[in-house]
Amino acid sequence: EPEVTQTPSHQVTQMGQEVILRCVPISNHLYFYWYRQILGQKVEFLVSFYNNEISEKSEIFDDQFSVERPDGSNFTLKIRSTKLEDSAMYFCASRQVIISGAFFGQGTRLTVV
Amino acid sequence: GNSVTQMEGPVTLSEEAFLTINCTYTATGYPSLFWYVQYPGEGLQLLLKATKADDKGSNKGFEATYRKETTSFHLEKGSVQVSDSAVYFCALSATGNQFYFGTGTSLTVIP
Repeated sequence: EPEVTQTPSHQVTQMGQEVILRCVPISNHLYFYWYRQILGQKVEFLVSFYNNEISEKSEIFDDQFSVERPDGSNFTLKIRSTKLEDSAMYFCASRQVIISGAFFGQGTRLTVV
Repeated sequence: GNSVTQMEGPVTLSEEAFLTINCTYTATGYPSLFWYVQYPGEGLQLLLKATKADDKGSNKGFEATYRKETTSFHLEKGSVQVSDSAVYFCALSATGNQFYFGTGTSLTVIP
């Protein structure tokens, strides 16, 4: 069964450092997302991406965040200068069409120290 | 705006008990509705979905019916198992394409 894969599964970084979280969505999917979940809390929307551009973003997704789909298969989330409050589980998701469910990856646990 | 309100947890049930987790929504347009499940230490798995009013989504013994008149999408299962212990999230997708998630309901099933 096709799945969304995310790497790394866990990343520890120092405050102020840049991190790149990587995702490989399901190959025939057209819509891509990043969400995050601070431990035990709500799943928060960050950004959606369609047709090689951002289609929606939340207030969380400020200038420190960026996304890229550099080669038609990978989908990355970059945080330029990490803050302690960026510590969370980050989930990538993709879906084929607008009415289908989204498939989520297993997540990357980001710990900022 | 768009939002999802879920029944507060945690919920603890004995094995073979009947499960209901309430979910109501507010949405612009005609949303699609989803239930996701998150097992400990894992990602979000799509459990079931419904894309229009009166649709019933079902999977692994779980069911939910899209009720437009009550703006609800309650999750039910007739007989829960220990392996159903997880956090359940109700979600919608409406205008635009992002998903709006509820706060999650933790279910623990005891033998």
